[in-house]
Amino acid sequence: GENVEQHPSTLSVQEGDSAVIKCTYSDSASNYFPWYKQELGKRPQLIIDIRSNVGEKKDQRIAVTLNKTAKHFSLHITETQPEDSAVYFCAARRGGSQGNLIFGKGTKLSVKP
Amino acid sequence: GAGVSQSPSNKVTEKGKDVELRCDPISGHTALYWYRQSLGQGLEFLIYFQGNSAPDKSGLPSDRFSAERTGGSVSTLTIQRTQQEDSAVYLCASSTGLAGGLLWDTQYFGPGTRLTVL
Repeated sequence: GENVEQHPSTLSVQEGDSAVIKCTYSDSASNYFPWYKQELGKRPQLIIDIRSNVGEKKDQRIAVTLNKTAKHFSLHITETQPEDSAVYFCAARRGGSQGNLIFGKGTKLSVKP
Repeated sequence: GAGVSQSPSNKVTEKGKDVELRCDPISGHTALYWYRQSLGQGLEFLIYFQGNSAPDKSGLPSDRFSAERTGGSVSTLTIQRTQQEDSAVYLCASSTGLAGGLLWDTQYFGPGTRLTVL
């Protein structure tokens, strides 16, 4: 089955710097890769996703890149702000089904003012 | 519109007791998922419903765990004879579940039920 590895587990940056979180997946049939942000005590919220037919997607300060050959995808946050502090989860879903997401273990991002 | 809701928000129970956790998906969403999040861990898939059917029960950790969904809406996750290792936040998510191979269906999460087994 699918396995998703996420790195780093913790990341601390200064406000205004960029943050990059990387994930790798094992199942070449996976074709949907969402990223969720979870603030302390809150529900996970989708912040961006990418489909396997696209190599990069941007939404304001957030971007995601996908390398299908290497089976890895990354989240890039530019001009970080203290409110970006949260746990970020990457996930993958296998094509051909509407089944469950397989999540990475999360990255705790701290943005210091 | 209203998002995914779950109840109770917190549940404290004694080891060996049974518990029921409820999920109300977004209206019209036919796909429903249960995940478990242990302290400081990622989200672990438990079970998936399409309508009232559960085509994927592969994530249920033991036969003490069961789930049902009636009327294509509300779902209940039941844990029998709870153990301390069952303590976690149980998250429910729903998606449109459109037929025809919509492969990139966004899952929307509920706030979760924090279960503590003493």
